[in-house]
Amino acid sequence: DSGVTQTPKHLITATGQRVTLRCSPRSGDLSVYWYQQSLDQGLQFLIQYYNGEERAKGNILERFSAQQFPDLHSELNLSSLELGDSALYFCASSVDTAGAVQNEQFFGPGTRLTVL
Amino acid sequence: AQSVTQPDIHITVSEGASLELRCNYSYGATPYLFWYVQSPGQGLQLLLKYFSGDTLVQGIKGFEAEFKRSQSSFNLRKPSVHWSDAAEYFCAVESGGGADGLTFGKGTHLIIQP
Repeated sequence: DSGVTQTPKHLITATGQRVTLRCSPRSGDLSVYWYQQSLDQGLQFLIQYYNGEERAKGNILERFSAQQFPDLHSELNLSSLELGDSALYFCASSVDTAGAVQNEQFFGPGTRLTVL
Repeated sequence: AQSVTQPDIHITVSEGASLELRCNYSYGATPYLFWYVQSPGQGLQLLLKYFSGDTLVQGIKGFEAEFKRSQSSFNLRKPSVHWSDAAEYFCAVESGGGADGLTFGKGTHLIIQP
């Protein structure tokens, strides 16, 4: 158990809908990362938040957005869903203390999204 | 942009035999390198990491990896595999400082033959 929790474990929805995925980082971790794992694209970095602020963006679609709340949990919002958005979405967290370079990311179990 | 190549999509190894999974990276500076393992239906677990120093890195579950700058490689090895090692293995690179996400390879699916 990494200490990172994600809810829900599974989500089934229809095209055009909007969903919210939730992530609680390990206690004390300030950074949260979101990744998408799909059969055709593999594992892709989407976005990173650090202490409530967006810090880095990867291959995140404009239909997707995220935020990190004062209690450091994060939510990934996916809207206008398409069939191709079906994937496993991982959240990871790291301590990310100022000036540190050795920031190991701990991954949650993932949320499997199926768009029908 | 950084990239990671894992040339082998599938590898089959007999239980008790040695294992080497290949990983090549492309990055301008000294990268931060990682190997993760993903069992079916599970999240990603870190096996080992390289940031600096000794180029031979020891990890969990008896795995090790060697960083070779001249070959831009970070191959994962294990002297004797167990059936429980069957999983998907991912090599990843980070630019460093924790201010970026990981760039992953496509993964290598390890099959263990009895």
